[in-house]
Amino acid sequence: GENVGLHLPTLSVQEGDNSIINCAYSNSASDYFIWYKQESGKGPQFIIDIRSNMDKRQGQRVTVLLNKTVKHLSLQIAATQPGDSAVYFCAENRAAGNKLTFGGGTRVLVKP
Amino acid sequence: DTAVSQTPKYLVTQMGNDKSIKCEQNLGHDTMYWYKQDSKKFLKIMFSYNNKELIINETVPNRFSPKSPDKAHLNLHINSLELGDSAVYFCASTVGSEAGELFFGEGSRLTVL
Repeated sequence: GENVGLHLPTLSVQEGDNSIINCAYSNSASDYFIWYKQESGKGPQFIIDIRSNMDKRQGQRVTVLLNKTVKHLSLQIAATQPGDSAVYFCAENRAAGNKLTFGGGTRVLVKP
Repeated sequence: DTAVSQTPKYLVTQMGNDKSIKCEQNLGHDTMYWYKQDSKKFLKIMFSYNNKELIINETVPNRFSPKSPDKAHLNLHINSLELGDSAVYFCASTVGSEAGELFFGEGSRLTVL
């Protein structure tokens, strides 16, 4: 069956360090990938997306890397801040598809 | 102004009861969704509507009945509530029909006793 991501692991990172969150997917038909951030008590919030014709995309303090060969996606957060503490989800879709499938999430804890 | 709003935010009820959760978006989006998030934070799609038309029904028990009176509203009615229905239910919306940048509500935490 389809499997996006892992069940909820936790990443502890020192404030100011860089964070790397990983995600594996198994559906070869997926060609559109998105990262979401969910803070405690809130709904998920879009961070950044990438389509399969790219292998890297940068936003503000965030970079998403896509390796289609090994079906791997990562989110890098530069200079992690306390406000980055949240659960991060990768999600997948097919271009123009109407169904977004979420992975299991990674909890990021930023230590002061 | 709240973009995607859900009510109620918390709902505690007994097994066997019927309850509804309402969702409204003021973003002018065409597509709305209901997702269920379990205690392990796993998010699973339940339903999707595009311009009031059901386009995704993800093997959800027929005790769950979504209703979209117009494209700005998507409500969820649940009959005969069971313990396993306890979860946080999220409404979301997006422009067009491609599911990518979804805008989520704050969630409705349902507890079935």
